[in-house]
Amino acid sequence: SQTIHQWPATLVQPVGSPLSLECTVEGTSNPNLYWYRQAAGRGLQLLFYSIGIDQISSEVPQNLSASRPQDRQFILSSKKLLLSDSGFYLCAWSSGQIFTDTQYFGPGTRLTVL
Amino acid sequence: AQSVTQLGSHLSVSEGALVLLRCNYSSSVPPYLFWYVQYPNQGLQLLLKYTTGATLVKGINGFEAEFKKSETSFHLTKPSAHMSDAAEYFCAVRSEYGNKLVFGAGTILRVKS
Repeated sequence: SQTIHQWPATLVQPVGSPLSLECTVEGTSNPNLYWYRQAAGRGLQLLFYSIGIDQISSEVPQNLSASRPQDRQFILSSKKLLLSDSGFYLCAWSSGQIFTDTQYFGPGTRLTVL
Repeated sequence: AQSVTQLGSHLSVSEGALVLLRCNYSSSVPPYLFWYVQYPNQGLQLLLKYTTGATLVKGINGFEAEFKKSETSFHLTKPSAHMSDAAEYFCAVRSEYGNKLVFGAGTILRVKS
């Protein structure tokens, strides 16, 4: 069966520090991968999606970036965090046609920027 | 552009009562519709989805939703609430011709004993 992992589970970082969140998927190959951010009291905002290695699309301009160095690894990064980057970050995967098939979500990373 | 409106950010029901979570969408083409549930500090879990075919869709944990094209709605229901249903529920839409899954703002369900 397929599983999706995210780490760390929680993170507290000062403003201006770098960020690296990791997501890995097991039990499937060539998945579509997604990064979402969930701010308090708001819905999910799609940040990035990827249909393959080094194929990443950005949905919103911001100081975040994403990379997919391996088929089942998706990394969210920032060089300098802002207060507004605080939130709950969710990674998801799907198979088949992107955005059509069911997305399966990881447990999330709660980021607090102070 | 597609959009999703969930009526009510919070809903409180008694254990055993009907659960009705409302979702209205906008889409210029036939939509794909999803309901997800999120328990505290966890990721989202798919409850059910509608793509084509039967408009009444049954999901996990006794939930079901009905796609009504004329009303552009996809409301989620459960006949009898359990304490374990307390969570946040998200409706989402993906247009066949779009390239995004758009989520509503979510509705937090509280179940009272």
